[in-house]
Amino acid sequence: EPEVTQTPSHQVTQMGQEVILHCVPISNHLYFYWYRQILGQKVEFLVSFYNNEISEKSEIFDDQFSVERPDGSNFTLKIRSTKLEDSAMYFCASSENPSMSYEQYFGPGTRLTVT
Amino acid sequence: AQRVTQPEKLLSVFKGAPVELKCNYSYSGSPELFWYVQYSRQRLQLLLRHISRESIKGFTADLNKGETSFHLKKPFAQEEDSAMYYCALDNAGNMLTFGGGTRLMVKP
Repeated sequence: EPEVTQTPSHQVTQMGQEVILHCVPISNHLYFYWYRQILGQKVEFLVSFYNNEISEKSEIFDDQFSVERPDGSNFTLKIRSTKLEDSAMYFCASSENPSMSYEQYFGPGTRLTVT
Repeated sequence: AQRVTQPEKLLSVFKGAPVELKCNYSYSGSPELFWYVQYSRQRLQLLLRHISRESIKGFTADLNKGETSFHLKKPFAQEEDSAMYYCALDNAGNMLTFGGGTRLMVKP
């Protein structure tokens, strides 16, 4: 069964550095998402992406964040200048269709640690 | 703004006992509710959605609009049901709002 993949599984970076988290969505999916989960807290929506543009974003997704689909398979999340509070598990997800009842398939996550 | 509340962080039951994981939501429109499960060292995966009214692995959930609830139930818990369970609301297909999660522990 096709799966969403994410790399790396764990990223350690210093405060102020840029990081790029990588995701390969399921190949026939058209809608892509990033979520994050700070340790001990809820899974929080960051951004959704369709047709090469952001369709929705949360308050968390400020100017430090950006997303890109650089080729036909990858979907990346960039954090320009990381802060300590960006330490979290970042999940990528994809779905065939954004309308209700279509399942979002999640990747295994990238654990980002900012020191 | 939509909100999902799971009041119990941890629920511990014995094998064979009934299980009910509570979920309440607030949303002004007509919501789509889901239960996602995360087994140890595995990814988040969909367990069931209210629109399909299905039973998966013996679990069921009924949307109660009057009480704004979507509780997850199973009559007889199994040890392999031990996992984190997340209730989630989809407002228009573009984002999921998750509850805080409930860790279910099924003891032998």
